[in-house]
Amino acid sequence: DAGVIQSPRHEVTEMGQEVTLRCKPISGHNSLFWYRQTMMRGLELLIYFNNNVPIDDSGMPEDRFSAKMPNASFSTLKIQPSEPRDSAVYFCASSSNSESTDTQYFGPGTRLTVL
Amino acid sequence: GNSVTQMEGPVTLSEEAFLTINCTYTATGYPSLFWYVQYPGEGLQLLLKATKADDKGSNKGFEATYRKETTSFHLEKGSVQVSDSAVYFCALLNTGGFKTIFGAGTRLFVKA
Repeated sequence: DAGVIQSPRHEVTEMGQEVTLRCKPISGHNSLFWYRQTMMRGLELLIYFNNNVPIDDSGMPEDRFSAKMPNASFSTLKIQPSEPRDSAVYFCASSSNSESTDTQYFGPGTRLTVL
Repeated sequence: GNSVTQMEGPVTLSEEAFLTINCTYTATGYPSLFWYVQYPGEGLQLLLKATKADDKGSNKGFEATYRKETTSFHLEKGSVQVSDSAVYFCALLNTGGFKTIFGAGTRLFVKA
């Protein structure tokens, strides 16, 4: 299996620009998670989807952030407009509800720098 | 609420030294416990897990035992290698829940 795929791996943009991060979960997994990792705040859960439906978005920082999952094999996280404080590594992870212990499989991450 | 507390890093050891990274948790119910590892430039990956009290998870020479009486899940390895240098995260997931709670992570440096 190819694992969780994220693109781009690196993104540098200027403040005010729109940023779209993409994720392809492992085939057959029905749960998808978006995380943000920074030195100051550690690993934060932003949003969780189950069977393509957003279940919990309480971790989304503000209205500038939005996430979609139009089908079982694709999800996006959008930031509009971006700000320097959004600079972080963003991870996508997926898991299968059929596994008894819900191990999460992480992608390699997207390193976002907002200038 | 649910939470995970792990020892602050960084931890610096010489090759072949014994490793312990402490982890304690607070949870309602009977959670599953995990250790994830993050190598430089990569995402987190599962290292080992335990689903009930007294279970021992093990992988790649690492071990951790689920201790309900002390609410702990300490990570140990008898002889570390340079290639073990990484950040280690303790985590819990409550039964029937979806939200894995991660600790802050402990960075390990192993010197040759």
